[in-house]
Amino acid sequence: SAVISQKPSRDICQRGTSLTIQCQVDSQVTMMFWYRQQPGQSLTLIATANQGSEATYESGFVIDKFPISRPNLTFSTLTVSNMSPEDSSIYLCSVGVGETQYFGPGTRLLVL
Amino acid sequence: TQLLEQSPQFLSIQEGENLTVYCNSSSVFSSLQWYRQEPGEGPVLLVTVVTGGEVKKLKRLTFQFGDARKDSSLHITAAQPGDTGLYLCAGAVSGSARQLTFGSGTQLTVLP
Repeated sequence: SAVISQKPSRDICQRGTSLTIQCQVDSQVTMMFWYRQQPGQSLTLIATANQGSEATYESGFVIDKFPISRPNLTFSTLTVSNMSPEDSSIYLCSVGVGETQYFGPGTRLLVL
Repeated sequence: TQLLEQSPQFLSIQEGENLTVYCNSSSVFSSLQWYRQEPGEGPVLLVTVVTGGEVKKLKRLTFQFGDARKDSSLHITAAQPGDTGLYLCAGAVSGSARQLTFGSGTQLTVLP
């Protein structure tokens, strides 16, 4: 398994601003992922964070809106850019170990 | 695109009752995981099943993987308020967490 921490745990932001979410893992992992989740609903994959190369984005998500960094095998950041109220959600990072993913505690974002 | 449908979407029961959550797909998965997510937390892995027909027990929780590896069920015996949460199934394809498909989720509430 893996222990994952995220910062911040929650934030309230004004529209038009940007927020960077950090994800730290206690061991080196190859696969890291970023998800978005509406409360009580399932997970939507935003992108796969690749170490040493550009992130791989899912349909409907673009780099200009959700830039991702992956400087090493234990750390990644997701930025939510030019935020609007529609970006209010829970953002989760996860790491892949074998066929399993382990999740961070999430970042609750509210955009006013 | 693999789809995993969970049923029911919402379930509210009294403490002590039994329940079953279903996870169905038309696709074959190499393994299937069940997660539970509590408010303010990320999903936590409960179990991974990998063999068609496999049954795994975790205290009062019984997980079954269908013979054809297309479906799974989670049965909870004598539910307790601590079982309350969002239950998610997730299927893996071709042995990699990169291709993890999440189900639509079942929100369970166990009333004392």
